[in-house]
Amino acid sequence: EAAVTQSPRSKVAVTGGKVTLSCHQTNNHDYMYWYRQDTGHGLRLIHYSYVADSTEKGDIPDGYKASRPSQENFSLILELASLSQTAVYFCASSDPPRHSNERLFFGHGTKLSVL
Amino acid sequence: GDSVTQTEGLVTLTKGLPVMLNCTYQTTYSPFLFWYVQHLNEAPKLLLKSSTDNKRTEHQGFYATLHKSSSSFHLQKSSVQLSDSALYFCALSTGSFNKLTFGAGTRLAVCP
Repeated sequence: EAAVTQSPRSKVAVTGGKVTLSCHQTNNHDYMYWYRQDTGHGLRLIHYSYVADSTEKGDIPDGYKASRPSQENFSLILELASLSQTAVYFCASSDPPRHSNERLFFGHGTKLSVL
Repeated sequence: GDSVTQTEGLVTLTKGLPVMLNCTYQTTYSPFLFWYVQHLNEAPKLLLKSSTDNKRTEHQGFYATLHKSSSSFHLQKSSVQLSDSALYFCALSTGSFNKLTFGAGTRLAVCP
């Protein structure tokens, strides 16, 4: 089974502070993603990457930056955390689409509370 | 843009009864549809996927058929078990990069 590890599992941050969420995968996957989960909204894509040293904006990138320093690692950065960024954040990885779109392998999530 | 609608926020059933969780989507592109399941305090996991019109796909007792004519991909099971209690997400992918658009999710609660 593919492995995606997120750290920390939970975090409390202060408004205006900087937060970094980390993700590490051992699947040898080229594609990695950051989603946030809010009650009533499902999961929404923040940033994604299909190659190291390159990131792309997803559907809700405002207030977030991403960094992909290697194939295995993908970080999500909140430079100035705000109350509205309180959510559960999921990292995922996948193979590139071939004959059909590939399944995503998710980490266990990071619960972020901004106070 | 693409969208996915799951009409039920919570479905509560007694063990052994059948269930259908609704999923409809909107897109102007060729769709890939997925069902992901998330058990309490666990990561979402793929349950089913399909891009073939009118073909039933099955896994772990769950099944779904993609109907492009009605833009639907409803999830069904003939007899739910206590272990099926979880959050179920319908998701749509239409292009490269495997980007998914998720529905809001349906929580299934199975009672003894």
